[in-house]
Amino acid sequence: AQSVSQHNHHVILSEAASLELGCNYSYGGTVNLFWYVQYPGQHLQLLLKYFSGDPLVKGIKGFEAEFIKSKFSFNLRKPSVQWSDTAEYFCAVTLDSSASKIIFGSGTRLSIRP
Amino acid sequence: EAGVTQFPSHSVIEKGQTVTLRCDPISGHDNLYWYRRVMGKEIKFLLHFVKESKQDESGMPNNRFLAERTGGTYSTLKVQPAELEDSGVYFCASSRFRDRGMDEQYFGPGTRLTVT
Repeated sequence: AQSVSQHNHHVILSEAASLELGCNYSYGGTVNLFWYVQYPGQHLQLLLKYFSGDPLVKGIKGFEAEFIKSKFSFNLRKPSVQWSDTAEYFCAVTLDSSASKIIFGSGTRLSIRP
Repeated sequence: EAGVTQFPSHSVIEKGQTVTLRCDPISGHDNLYWYRRVMGKEIKFLLHFVKESKQDESGMPNNRFLAERTGGTYSTLKVQPAELEDSGVYFCASSRFRDRGMDEQYFGPGTRLTVT
């Protein structure tokens, strides 16, 4: 079955540190890739997405992610985190073969020390 | 434009009781999805409506779960009878188009269901 793996359950960083959250998926066909974020007390919202083209995609709030097809990976990065980045981050995919349903990873909780 | 809304925000029921969750999608969105997150695990797809029709219900756990979307507007998800393992957060999402998984899904705040 298709799945998405996020390597870290909880990451704690200090402000201004660099961030990289790992994400791997298991599916041999064409995928669409997403990162969602849920800030405390808020809805899940889309951070960035990759469908095709340039494998380095930029999202909101200074986040970016790189799709490496050979590694089945879509890691999320940010050069300098802020306290307001404290949230839970979800990597997700949709499959071209089954269109709309989103397959989520288990989430990574990010805590930023002020 | 109002976002996706869900009611109630939190429900606590006893095992064996019935609970109905409601989702109001963004106006004009034909696609409506239900997802569930059991504590500590990933968010899992339950089912997908296109207007009032069930497009994909492959994620529904068993026949104790019944989803409806009469008239193609709001949707309800009924759990009857509820079991302990049904506890979790139930999310609803909606999207306007269905284009090979590219359409952004907008999520509601979720309903936290606790079965005791």
